[in-house]
Amino acid sequence: GESVGLHLPTLSVQEGDNSIINCAYSNSASDYFIWYKQESGKGPQFIIDIRSNMDKRQGQRVTVLLNKTVKHLSLQIAATQPGDSAVYFCAENTFNTDKLIFGTGTRLQVFP
Amino acid sequence: NAGVTQTPKFRVLKTGQSMTLLCAQDMNHEYMYWYRQDPGMGLRLIHYSVGEGTTAKGEVPDGYNVSRLKKQNFLLGLESAAPSQTSVYFCASSRPRVMGTYEQYFGPGTRLTVT
Repeated sequence: GESVGLHLPTLSVQEGDNSIINCAYSNSASDYFIWYKQESGKGPQFIIDIRSNMDKRQGQRVTVLLNKTVKHLSLQIAATQPGDSAVYFCAENTFNTDKLIFGTGTRLQVFP
Repeated sequence: NAGVTQTPKFRVLKTGQSMTLLCAQDMNHEYMYWYRQDPGMGLRLIHYSVGEGTTAKGEVPDGYNVSRLKKQNFLLGLESAAPSQTSVYFCASSRPRVMGTYEQYFGPGTRLTVT
């Protein structure tokens, strides 16, 4: 069946370092991926998306990498800040389906 | 714009009671969704709607009903609450993916406890 999962449940990084959050997906038909950030007590917030015809996309301090060969994507956060502390989810979609499938999430903790 | 709003924010129910969660969006989105989120888990889709008057089942629909009588509102009903329905419920809305990005905008959540 379809599944989207994460390798690490918790990631601790020092302020100023770069963070890498990983996600594996199993549905080879998935062609659209999104990263969400969820702060405590709030709803998920869109960070960045990528389509399967791309292998890299950059935003402000964030980069998403997609490796379709091994069905893996990652979210890189440059110069991690205390405000980046949250749970990060990847989600995938297959064209002509109206649903996102979410992974279980990775908690990012930033320490001074 | 308020975005996506949810009512109520918190609720405690006794087993067997019923309630309705209300979701409203002011972005004129066609699609709306109800998810539940349990501790340490991701979001699981309960029901969704691709337009006014339409609904469809998601991953975990049992014990829930929905209605989309108006484009801007999506209601989630629990007819007979069970402790297993203790969770945080999130509503989301989006445009159809064919219109470009498939970003789903989420509400702040409703924390429901069933005793």
